Amino acid sequence: SQKIEQNSEALNIQEGKTATLTCNYTNYSPAYLQWYRQDPGRGPVFLLLIRENEKEKRKERLKVTFDTTLKQSLFHITASQPADSATYLCALVPYTGGFKTIFGAGTRLFVKA
Amino acid sequence: DGGITQSPKYLFRKEGQNVTLSCEQNLNHDAMYWYRQDPGQGLRLIYYSQIVNDFQKGDIAEGYSVSREKKESFPLTVTSAQKNPTAFYLCASTVTGGNEQFFGPGTRLTVL
Repeated sequence: SQKIEQNSEALNIQEGKTATLTCNYTNYSPAYLQWYRQDPGRGPVFLLLIRENEKEKRKERLKVTFDTTLKQSLFHITASQPADSATYLCALVPYTGGFKTIFGAGTRLFVKA
Repeated sequence: DGGITQSPKYLFRKEGQNVTLSCEQNLNHDAMYWYRQDPGQGLRLIYYSQIVNDFQKGDIAEGYSVSREKKESFPLTVTSAQKNPTAFYLCASTVTGGNEQFFGPGTRLTVL
């Protein structure tokens, strides 16, 4: 069956450390992967997109990698801050999906001061 | 400021009642979407529309209906046929062929 999975357990890290979140998928052929941030009771906000033929993408303190062999994307936040505390959603758009985007359930990140 | 608005933010409904959630965007986007979010689950697609007067069912369309009479508006009706309607509902839009989805603030629907 097709699945997109993120760690359901919350990730707790100390301020200043690098947070790494994982997104694994099964039985999809993604054209690209996206990462969104969602604060409690709010809509998701787009952060980064990485295409199938890209290995890595960076934006300020954010970095995303995409390994189509492992069927995995990693999302890194360097020099994390308490303001980075939120839920981070992974989403993929499959080649055959048309306009459909498939979202993971998200991983909650807590950054302690 | 351009963006997507959803109203109301909180909505309470009695069983057996239909209710309509509003979604408006001034981003001039062609495509609009409705998702449902439940705890521990990813966003699930209810309906989407790529152009005015056209829309398609998503993965969980049963018990819901939509209309797209204007480019800016994509209201969602939760009917009494939806067996478990309590959830957080999110509206989104994209430029046609675009990658990034812009989301509204969401409506939390509770059935009493």
